[in-house]
Amino acid sequence: DIQMTQTPSSMPASLGERVTISCRASQGISNYLNWYQQKPDGTIKPLIYYTSNLQSGVPSRFSGSGSGTDYSLTISSLEPEDFAMYYCQQYDSSPLTFGSGTKLEIK
Amino acid sequence: EVQLVESGGGLVQPGASLKLSCVASGFTFSDYWMSWVRQTPGKTMEWIGDIKYDGSYTNYAPSLKNRFTISRDNAKSTLYLQMSNVRSEDTATYYCTGSRHTMGITSLFDYWGQGVMVTVSS
Repeated sequence: DIQMTQTPSSMPASLGERVTISCRASQGISNYLNWYQQKPDGTIKPLIYYTSNLQSGVPSRFSGSGSGTDYSLTISSLEPEDFAMYYCQQYDSSPLTFGSGTKLEIK
Repeated sequence: EVQLVESGGGLVQPGASLKLSCVASGFTFSDYWMSWVRQTPGKTMEWIGDIKYDGSYTNYAPSLKNRFTISRDNAKSTLYLQMSNVRSEDTATYYCTGSRHTMGITSLFDYWGQGVMVTVSS
């Protein structure tokens, strides 16, 4: 199975701040990497697919990048609704696997 | 509006069986691959498996393959997860997802339900 190491596990940040969350795969995953957001009420939605493609309706302050084994999600300027959990997920090979999550908290 | 509504969770004893359901609306259910994903109390996310849009093919995480079975009824727009011989480590919130499928693999969990909690305890 491909292991996804996501860092940091939690991140205090301020409104308007630029933040980056990292995700490292245990082997190359050819950009087959998605990002999801989970709100405190449990609602989950996809943010970015195939490393850098923004899902419909997702604000442009979200962006993704990476290649090989290293990937990242960047939020350019934090809004109140962005404080949530974030997960990366690979689909290079089955079984599909997720990172351990990053909790973005208000500083 | 897309909706996925899971049901059937609750408290179950170790070794028992349980069947979860997920009713879909707002999209053409029979066109979509569907998946189950679970989240442990510690927030770890785990893919359980998926099923082809016509129900003719399923794929599972190897660690769960022998105990979990995914099925669907397109006439009822309903997805199922049959869980057998449950263990304490199966305690989790179970999510039904409508999935994008590309190049032979589920490539994105597009739509998510609100989840249903399963607690395995004596």
